[in-house]
Amino acid sequence: NAGVMQNPRHLVRRRGQEARLRCSPMKGHSHVYWYRQLPEEGLKFMVYLQKENIIDESGMPKERFSAEFPKEGPSILRIQQVVRGDSAAYFCASSRVGPNSYEQYFGPGTRLTVT
Amino acid sequence: AQSVTQLDSHVSVSEGTPVLLRCNYSSSYSPSLFWYVQHPNKGLQLLLKYTSAATLVKGINGFEAEFKKSETSFHLTKPSAHMSDAAEYFCVVSDVRGGADGLTFGKGTHLIIQP
Repeated sequence: NAGVMQNPRHLVRRRGQEARLRCSPMKGHSHVYWYRQLPEEGLKFMVYLQKENIIDESGMPKERFSAEFPKEGPSILRIQQVVRGDSAAYFCASSRVGPNSYEQYFGPGTRLTVT
Repeated sequence: AQSVTQLDSHVSVSEGTPVLLRCNYSSSYSPSLFWYVQHPNKGLQLLLKYTSAATLVKGINGFEAEFKKSETSFHLTKPSAHMSDAAEYFCVVSDVRGGADGLTFGKGTHLIIQP
């Protein structure tokens, strides 16, 4: 059973470009979470999605960031017009049941570098 | 509201000596507590979890942690460090009373093992 997959593992973008990060949850998991890890920081929750629905986006910056989890295909975290401060590691996690499940499985992360 | 404080950003021990990684938490309700380990270029791996059962929790790779409500602590220990234990460790709290905001992570402790 493959774990949570994220791609790309490393992404370099120039300021002003768009970044698209993909997350494929574990088989049988319909809940996806995105976290951001800034240097010297713990992971910070960004958004929680179920298939075709955003359940909680309280951790998402109000502008330039969006997320989706379509009926088919991976979850996408999209960052428009990237700035240097967006440079971070972005982790995706998935779970079989809801957010109070103890079993969130994490992917290896995507390291975004904005030049 | 909940929060996690990992008291040491870096801990260095010699191989074969005990490991202690400290974590204090605050939570409005009865929390669930976890320790995750992150090796370079890997996703986070669950080491152990406390979910209101036994206060002394045993995890993988010889790690264990004790939940002390009176001290609001959940320190991670291991009797004898191994070189392969070198990694980043995150203490995490989940408020079981609700919130779709997933987990709250500490800032991490970097464990260094000296030969």
